[in-house]
Amino acid sequence: TQLLEQSPQFLSIQEGENLTVYCNSSSVFSSLQWYRQEPGEGPVLLVTVVTGGEVKKLKRLTFQFGDARKDSSLHITAAQPGDTGLYLCAGVGRQAGTALIFGKGTTLSVSS
Amino acid sequence: KAGVTQTPRYLIKTRGQQVTLSCSPISGHRSVSWYQQTPGQGLQFLFEYFSETQRNKGNFPGRFSGRQFSNSRSEMNVSTLELGDSALYLCASSLDRGRTSYEQYFGPGTRLTVT
Repeated sequence: TQLLEQSPQFLSIQEGENLTVYCNSSSVFSSLQWYRQEPGEGPVLLVTVVTGGEVKKLKRLTFQFGDARKDSSLHITAAQPGDTGLYLCAGVGRQAGTALIFGKGTTLSVSS
Repeated sequence: KAGVTQTPRYLIKTRGQQVTLSCSPISGHRSVSWYQQTPGQGLQFLFEYFSETQRNKGNFPGRFSGRQFSNSRSEMNVSTLELGDSALYLCASSLDRGRTSYEQYFGPGTRLTVT
């Protein structure tokens, strides 16, 4: 069974601080996605990383896919209150027919 | 382009009852997946439908079922509700351009409370 472990589970920081969220597995994934979910809404796709070692930037957010395609990280620079939410990573299995596997998420709270 | 819509948004049911939730995917998306989200277990995959056929199923009891119609709209049904079925039920659609991307577009969810 493929599992994705996210850490930390909760993060509470001040505006302007930097942070990193980790997503780890013992399994290899074809690709990995990051979503953000706000209260009362469904998750919204932020980025998909496909190639081992790939780095993608989305404004203040930097996503990295591990060389072995088993792990990923999300780094936020100068966090803002608008970054508050639940961050989820999700992996696409290598075998055809496998469903998307989600980590349990990291709840981020940024206060001003 | 309209996003994924789910109805109803909120639902309160009693133990033993059954419930049907509805999902309309983004126009052109043929893959629809359903997830259950709870604080303790996170997002758990229920099932996926593609062109009216169930393509994948998660590890849930047979009380959970679904179907997809020819217009790609989907419904899920939960029979004999239990207190533990209280959760946010999310529907997601995908263009299904290949296994490598498989990006999901989620609806706002249906909040089900079982009393």
